[in-house]
Amino acid sequence: GESVGLHLPTLSVQEGDNSIINCAYSNSASDYFIWYKQESGKGPQFIIDIRSNMDKRQGQRVTVLLNKTVKHLSLQIAATQPGDSAVYFCAERSGFQKLVFGTGTRLLVSP
Amino acid sequence: GAVVSQHPSWVICKSGTSVKIECRSLDFQATTMFWYRQFPKQSLMLMATSNEGSKATYEQGVEKDKFLINHASLTLSTLTVTSAHPEDSSFYICSARGGIGSSPLHFGNGTRLTVT
Repeated sequence: GESVGLHLPTLSVQEGDNSIINCAYSNSASDYFIWYKQESGKGPQFIIDIRSNMDKRQGQRVTVLLNKTVKHLSLQIAATQPGDSAVYFCAERSGFQKLVFGTGTRLLVSP
Repeated sequence: GAVVSQHPSWVICKSGTSVKIECRSLDFQATTMFWYRQFPKQSLMLMATSNEGSKATYEQGVEKDKFLINHASLTLSTLTVTSAHPEDSSFYICSARGGIGSSPLHFGNGTRLTVT
């Protein structure tokens, strides 16, 4: 079956460092990917998305890279701040199918 | 824009009672809403897809008679946990999108249900 997984359950960084959160997916038919940030006790917050016809997309301080060859997705956060501390989920979808969430990575930013 | 409001944010109820959770799209019409369940330190698991004016589509293993979903308008979907038991305690989150081609980018802030 389809699955989306993450390599690192917890990532600890220092404030100001760049963070990279990785995600592997297994459904080669997935054509849309999203990164969400979830703070404790809150719902997921949209960060950035990318479609399968692209391999890179940039937002404010964030960049998503998509490698369809190895079915890998990453989220890069530049100049990580304490406010970036949260759990990050990748999610993937094929066509109009349901959104499938990965297992999540906790990002801890130390001042 | 694209705000989804969920109410209540937390609720405590006794075993055997029913609890209703509301999900509203505040500034857009949501033809489709999604209900998720999340256990501590785990990912979001889709429970059901709620379509305005029609029956909800439940994921495998989710009891439709246990988790009643109603999507009577383009801005409101409700999830009712019937005859709640302690194992129903969880974080329930809704998500809404506008049209078929839109992506479900907008989540509510979740409802923490504790069944005693």
